[in-house]
Amino acid sequence: SQTIHQWPATLVQPVGSPLSLECTVEGTSNPNLYWYRQAAGRGLQLLFYSVGIGQISSEVPQNLSASRPQDRQFILSSKKLLLSDSGFYLCAWSVSYNEQFFGPGTRLTVL
Amino acid sequence: SQELEQSPQSLIVQEGKNLTINCTSSKTLYGLYWYKQKYGEGLIFLMMLQKGGEEKSHEKITAKLDEKKQQSSLHITASQPSHAGIYLCGADKRGYGGSQGNLIFGKGTKLSVKP
Repeated sequence: SQTIHQWPATLVQPVGSPLSLECTVEGTSNPNLYWYRQAAGRGLQLLFYSVGIGQISSEVPQNLSASRPQDRQFILSSKKLLLSDSGFYLCAWSVSYNEQFFGPGTRLTVL
Repeated sequence: SQELEQSPQSLIVQEGKNLTINCTSSKTLYGLYWYKQKYGEGLIFLMMLQKGGEEKSHEKITAKLDEKKQQSSLHITASQPSHAGIYLCGADKRGYGGSQGNLIFGKGTKLSVKP
């Protein structure tokens, strides 16, 4: 069966510090991978998606970047965090254009 | 304006009562997804609807898609405390000029079930 992992579960970082969030999927090959952010009052917003290794598409301009160094690994990064980067970050995977399955999320607080 | 509107925003029901949550799209629906989320956790996939008039059920939860009205409803029969959480609908972004398979979500409906 397929499982998806995210770490860390929670993170508190100062403004201006770097960020690296990791997502890994087990039990499937060549999944589509997604990064979402869920912020209070703004709902769930798609940030990046990837259909293959090294292939990243950005949905909204922002202070973040994503990378996919391996088939089942998706990383969300920032060189300098802003207060507005606080939120709940969710990684998801899908096979082709079917339903997406979400990870447990990372709660990021930028102070 | 919100592209995917959910109503109500929150709902409190007595255990055993039925309830309905609605999701209305401002654009053509190519696929409609229902998820449930407990606070601070990831989303749990419930159902996917793709064809007009389609209806799916899982245990006591039924979802319907009205393609003409660009609307979906989620109905819970005989609610239980385990049904409590946030219900989110998501739509394929094709209808919004985006890429197939990418989703846009409503803001969610918070359901509380009183024992």
